[in-house]
Amino acid sequence: DAKTTQPPSMDCAEGRAANLPCNHSTISGNEYVYWYRQIHSQGPQYIIHGLKNNETNEMASLIITEDRKSSTLILPHATLRDTAVYYCIVRPAGGGADGLTFGKGTHLIIQP
Amino acid sequence: DAGVIQSPRHEVTEMGQEVTLRCKPISGHNSLFWYRQTMMRGLELLIYFNNNVPIDDSGMPEDRFSAKMPNASFSTLKIQPSEPRDSAVYFCASSPGPGQGALEQYFGPGTRLTVT
Repeated sequence: DAKTTQPPSMDCAEGRAANLPCNHSTISGNEYVYWYRQIHSQGPQYIIHGLKNNETNEMASLIITEDRKSSTLILPHATLRDTAVYYCIVRPAGGGADGLTFGKGTHLIIQP
Repeated sequence: DAGVIQSPRHEVTEMGQEVTLRCKPISGHNSLFWYRQTMMRGLELLIYFNNNVPIDDSGMPEDRFSAKMPNASFSTLKIQPSEPRDSAVYFCASSPGPGQGALEQYFGPGTRLTVT
């Protein structure tokens, strides 16, 4: 799987949009970008994934650059409950049955 | 759906004892994964099953660790004998499986293991 680079930590004010960047410059053409998060003392939680088009669901939006070498996860109106470690993971399209390789992620802290 | 169920939620045991962690995946899911999380090493994949068959156990740290999936609704991770360095949070996850389209994994709440 392609490696990803994320900032170790970020702060965001409650109610503002949280923008979490991820670099994946060695991504291959058939690899998806996945985002998971882990709230303290809980198991990781799937957020969203995409290939090359921007994606949006009830939790977040995913913006992937045209060259696919980086992406941004956007939480549009962050709340205190969004404080968590966010993981960006790249894996092949056919890797649905394979395990996930987690990096260190970004610790997002939402400030009141 | 109750989600992925793990038991026990907490386990404290003495070095040398056998430990068995249990997991019930989401009904209908065909893939099951065991992960371990420590402060030093983060989240690591230990082993995963597709359709009850172990596919990749290269993440299992040593022979003291074993995992089974006797049927589609139950899996165990056993450590025998346990050592203090096995102390960690162990997560079980399931996904619809290969060829099912959806690629996300659903994680259980984890079992916090402490070996003294």
